Amino acid sequence: EVQLVQSGGGLVQPGGSLRLSCAASGFTFSDHYMDWVRQAPGKGLEWVGRIRDKANSYTTEYAASVKGRFTVSRDDSKNSLYLQMNSLKTEDTAVYYCARDSGYGAHFDYWGQGTLVTVSS
Amino acid sequence: DIVMTQSPDSLAVSLGERATINCKSSQSVLHSSNNKNYLAWYQQKPGQPPKLLIYWASTRESGVPDRFSGSGSGTDFSLTISSLQAEDVAVYYCQQCYSNPLTFGGGTTVEIK
Repeated sequence: EVQLVQSGGGLVQPGGSLRLSCAASGFTFSDHYMDWVRQAPGKGLEWVGRIRDKANSYTTEYAASVKGRFTVSRDDSKNSLYLQMNSLKTEDTAVYYCARDSGYGAHFDYWGQGTLVTVSS
Repeated sequence: DIVMTQSPDSLAVSLGERATINCKSSQSVLHSSNNKNYLAWYQQKPGQPPKLLIYWASTRESGVPDRFSGSGSGTDFSLTISSLQAEDVAVYYCQQCYSNPLTFGGGTTVEIK
């Protein structure tokens, strides 16, 4: 059974940093691109960033709203995905989801349970 | 960036009746290399992550009831629930998977009338 289990999150002050983790199981993690998607309270979905697989040099892409502040990384030996968030702003307050790229269409076929990040003083 | 516009924002449908949600992309999401539309639909219930329903505009994900169907090509798409069930109450999102940044529609809330 495919599972994505998230950890991290919580309350952080503006300008602070936080690291989210996503532990994968039930599939060959190293074969898949992985993404982060967020959802501000009561709002819609916003794609945050992506990391490709080793065959594609672990290249990353980011939404303009987080580029230069957030970093997506992965450790295939630990079947884990990470989101390092720096210089956090109040508008980064959201539930953050990790998601698996299906591998054949760039849609997300499995999602983590989500973790709330609150940026507030 | 490709802008995804969903309509309506919300709709109320009687149990057993048809519900149709529309999604329009600001540019074509049809990939010429494989003639597939890179358009997905998700269902999100309160307190839960989104669930993939449809990909490539019309391919139903495994395990999704056949009352859910997707159609359209190029820039205009729709999701249809042929006979609304109580468990279908949710917010539905379309997503273009054609180019970065990946973008979602604003969502459509489906309720029971």
